[in-house]
Amino acid sequence: GQQVMQIPQYQHVQEGEDFTTYCNSSTTLSNIQWYKQRPGGHPVFLIQLVKSGEVKKQKRLTFQFGEAKKNSSLHITATQTTDVGTYFCARLENYGQNFVFGPGTRLSVLP
Amino acid sequence: KAGVTQTPRYLIKTRGQQVTLSCSPISGHRSVSWYQQTPGQGLQFLFEYFSETQRNKGNFPGRFSGRQFSNSRSEMNVSTLELGDSALYLCASSLPPVYEQYFGPGTRLTVT
Repeated sequence: GQQVMQIPQYQHVQEGEDFTTYCNSSTTLSNIQWYKQRPGGHPVFLIQLVKSGEVKKQKRLTFQFGEAKKNSSLHITATQTTDVGTYFCARLENYGQNFVFGPGTRLSVLP
Repeated sequence: KAGVTQTPRYLIKTRGQQVTLSCSPISGHRSVSWYQQTPGQGLQFLFEYFSETQRNKGNFPGRFSGRQFSNSRSEMNVSTLELGDSALYLCASSLPPVYEQYFGPGTRLTVT
């Protein structure tokens, strides 16, 4: 399957600053899922986006799906130390038979 | 509901040996996927099982195999271990149609 790319690979922010990670695909995505993995933990599902131009919010997190369904973003407003971790986007292929995960963006938040 | 459980949590093996890892999905989840996570390669899909059938397999050598039982519990086996097989092996269960992946804590395999 086609890969999904994420930028940046790493991001260091001061607590209170905003953070954005981007997920890009060369082909149209049927949907995109976002996961968070805390250091030493396992990935935890955050959200799924399906519709072109879709925007969903979870408290300080805002998720967007591009109009062309080839890219997505996760924006965190006013980061906190609890936001530390790696954020992955993932595309679902073959009707649930396999996921292709992006390489992830590792977020560090300095207090 | 209880979450996904994986056993063992940690394992140390020697090159050439084989290993079997176990995964118990969330009750009612019939889809079980396995992933290998390494610092260099990230999260790589190994295979997915649904109702005891392997529906898809990732780009891994034949040394990696798996199976699923009638109670949806799954095992994966790696034969003739290589140093490069050292990784965190994650199992995830899910339900259609979203197939949101519920991950277990993983098995940390070290091959020496």
